[in-house]
Amino acid sequence: EDQVTQSPEALRLQEGESSSLNCSYTVSGLRGLFWYRQDPGKGPEFLFTLYSAGEEKEKERLKATLTKKESFLHITAPKPEDSATYLCAVREAGGFKTIFGAGTRLFVKA
Amino acid sequence: DARVTQTPRHKVTEMGQEVTMRCQPILGHNTVFWYRQTMMQGLELLAYFRNRAPLDDSGMPKDRFSAEMPDATLATLKIQPSEPRDSAVYFCASGDGTSNYNEQFFGPGTRLTVL
Repeated sequence: EDQVTQSPEALRLQEGESSSLNCSYTVSGLRGLFWYRQDPGKGPEFLFTLYSAGEEKEKERLKATLTKKESFLHITAPKPEDSATYLCAVREAGGFKTIFGAGTRLFVKA
Repeated sequence: DARVTQTPRHKVTEMGQEVTMRCQPILGHNTVFWYRQTMMQGLELLAYFRNRAPLDDSGMPKDRFSAEMPDATLATLKIQPSEPRDSAVYFCASGDGTSNYNEQFFGPGTRLTVL
């Protein structure tokens, strides 16, 4: 059965303290791994798509990487405005079905 | 600024009443997804469509939930009769199904409370 597990559940950082969020997955044929950001009371906002092991994508202070079993979202020198829930999702081969992890709640303190 | 719109944004209703939620996907997108989000279960896929045809609705309770796309600009999710356990935030997302990887873009959600 396809699964997506994110860790940690919650992460508290000081402003400027870099860290990484983990997303491990089990899927029969990966067609894409997605990272989303969700702010309270809003819908998830698309950040990145990763397609194959070894791929990396960057956007401002965020960098996403992918291996055959997991993905990391690295946050470099975070700011309070980076506080949000970060969701990982995978799309299985052969269709459009997308499975989401439970998310990591990130708190960045000034 | 293309975005997915959902109405209503909030809905409070009593158990047993019918609830209809509407979604307007981004113009040109041909895949539409319905999700439900709760604290306990996270984001659960309920159903999805491509070119207005339902591809998978295995995530929905069949006896009370139904999803349709009357036309390319409107998707609906209906609950009849509603129950307190249906209380959640319901999200619609759309994607460009012509892309191999089909990133999904989410609407703001409908917060449903069933009393």
